[in-house]
Amino acid sequence: DGGITQSPKYLFRKEGQNVTLSCEQNLNHDAMYWYRQDPGQGLRLIYYSQIVNDFQKGDIAEGYSVSREKKESFPLTVTSAQKNPTAFYLCASSVIGTGDYGYTFGSGTRLTVV
Amino acid sequence: GQQVMQIPQYQHVQEGEDFTTYCNSSTTLSNIQWYKQRPGGHPVFLIQLVKSGEVKKQKRLTFQFGEAKKNSSLHITATQTTDVGTYFCAGWDGGSQGNLIFGKGTKLSVKP
Repeated sequence: DGGITQSPKYLFRKEGQNVTLSCEQNLNHDAMYWYRQDPGQGLRLIYYSQIVNDFQKGDIAEGYSVSREKKESFPLTVTSAQKNPTAFYLCASSVIGTGDYGYTFGSGTRLTVV
Repeated sequence: GQQVMQIPQYQHVQEGEDFTTYCNSSTTLSNIQWYKQRPGGHPVFLIQLVKSGEVKKQKRLTFQFGEAKKNSSLHITATQTTDVGTYFCAGWDGGSQGNLIFGKGTKLSVKP
């Protein structure tokens, strides 16, 4: 089955540590996205990529970094510069273009800073 | 920047009652999409509306896109406990370099 896989499902991090969240898709989608979800805040865009080796900052990119070395993979690193990293992180992918297609979301990673 | 506002933020209904959530954009949208997120789950794409005044139905769910393409609504008839979750609208901000702008969602709870 085609889909998008995020790992791990739960992640605990000590303050001051960087951590990388994995996102892999086998849908042959060109575009991939990272969102952060906090209670009552909806989905806020962190980074997105429409082509390999290129990505764009979203609304809340500070303290995060990404790479897109392969079409299938779009890992997100939460750096120690992110002041409030505890959240639910969602990765999504879509066919590129004019928004004519829905996004497919992964099952998410819940990050907790301890 | 472009914003998509969604109301209400929460809605509690008795099973069998109807439910409606509304979505309003500060600018004209190319299209609008609706997603459902079950508790503890991830958003799942429900439908997309493209044309001005478009109405689409999925069983008990009715989706509308306003004539000016700035607002949309989702109406659920005779809610069931399986309808519980958060419903998000998302508007496309136009252009090939654009991306979806999500509303904050309406969280629906259904009392049996």
